[in-house]
Amino acid sequence: DTEVTQTPKHLVMGMTNKKSLKCEQHMGHRAMYWYKQKAKKPPELMFVYSYEKLSINESVPSRFSPECPNSSLLNLHLHALQPEDSALYLCASSQASGKFNTGELFFGEGSRLTVL
Amino acid sequence: GNSVTQMEGPVTLSEEAFLTINCTYTATGYPSLFWYVQYPGEGLQLLLKATKADDKGSNKGFEATYRKETTSFHLEKGSVQVSDSAVYFCALNFYNTDKLIFGTGTRLQVFP
Repeated sequence: DTEVTQTPKHLVMGMTNKKSLKCEQHMGHRAMYWYKQKAKKPPELMFVYSYEKLSINESVPSRFSPECPNSSLLNLHLHALQPEDSALYLCASSQASGKFNTGELFFGEGSRLTVL
Repeated sequence: GNSVTQMEGPVTLSEEAFLTINCTYTATGYPSLFWYVQYPGEGLQLLLKATKADDKGSNKGFEATYRKETTSFHLEKGSVQVSDSAVYFCALNFYNTDKLIFGTGTRLQVFP
């Protein structure tokens, strides 16, 4: 199984809503990532979890709250978002992290978020 | 700082044409270099990689050679297909970081 599965594929929410994006991998990978991708732009790193601990937060606003319940799951909790947060949110995983990270990331298909 | 520069797109080609997508990098040290591909409506997939100077990465008919002297990692394919239409991202990574640095992406459109 070489897949990273993301749910939901599409999400529409209001600015006062609370929602969550979910990501799952069963490859035994020890690092998991959230990226944000706006139309016609490259992915931007948001968070990295290494061995279930948050290792990188790229100064993301607190209305985005990541969570790693176990080594296979990664969530992104959303609250009080703004319309400019509308984007494709990509989850990725890699076999190792830090100095052992080879840069080979496995990406999910993404969750397309629209904030009204 | 470390960065990746790609040629502006879109690149529009007829089927069976030769493809080159230019990528140059700026880095303090010797990064690993990657090409990722994003098909419409999908996430990114690793296409090929090279970890040191003069290495050639190849996959699905695509090739790229790590050129330290010109700090480049140009993507080439001898004969493109309609199914190759996608956005191609050049990226670099260092072994002591989890940050994959992407270029801006180049859209390839192949027409029959």
